[in-house]
Amino acid sequence: QQKVQQSPESLTVSEGAMASLNCTFSDRSSDNFRWYRQHSGKGLEVLVSIFSDGEKEEGSFTAHLNRASLHVFLHIREPQPSDSALYLCAVNTGGLSGKLTFGEGTQVTVIS
Amino acid sequence: GPKVLQIPSHQIIDMGQMVTLNCDPVSNHLYFYWYKQILGQQMEFLVNFYNGKVMEKSKLFKDQFSVERPDGSYFTLKIQPTALEDSAVYFCASSPLGGGNTLYFGAGTRLSVL
Repeated sequence: QQKVQQSPESLTVSEGAMASLNCTFSDRSSDNFRWYRQHSGKGLEVLVSIFSDGEKEEGSFTAHLNRASLHVFLHIREPQPSDSALYLCAVNTGGLSGKLTFGEGTQVTVIS
Repeated sequence: GPKVLQIPSHQIIDMGQMVTLNCDPVSNHLYFYWYKQILGQQMEFLVNFYNGKVMEKSKLFKDQFSVERPDGSYFTLKIQPTALEDSAVYFCASSPLGGGNTLYFGAGTRLSVL
């Protein structure tokens, strides 16, 4: 059964500094990965999707996938206070059905 | 981006009653999902639905749960009867084609069973 774990649980960064989040998964055959974020009381907002090893950039968000080491990272470039949210890693474990397994999330706080 | 709407945002009911959670998915999407999040825990997959049928369900999708989308209207999750352990936030999602396509989530319905 797929296990998805995120670290750290919480992260405080200064405005403009790079933030890096880590996600590990257990099934090397997983075929796609997404990072979402959730502002308090709101729905999930998809940030970046990645399907193959290497990097994928979407705006100020860069995902880095390394299947061999079972890691997918998210880097947030020049974060703003509005980027304070819960960041969730999601791994597609359902093939064609698109079923996602989520990590527990990293709570990011950006301070001015 | 595409919006999934969930109604209501919060529902409080007594244990044993029936509840229906409503989801208005993105209009041209074909796959629909329900996820459950107990306070402080991970979001967990409940069920997915395509072409009028349940495709896959998890062990969390108890016999008291059912889903349907009659005539392209709301995608609903019904729980009958409810139990205390059903208290959670329920998230609806939809995607164009499943598989590698992105799932778009609603803001969730917080269900409180008393």
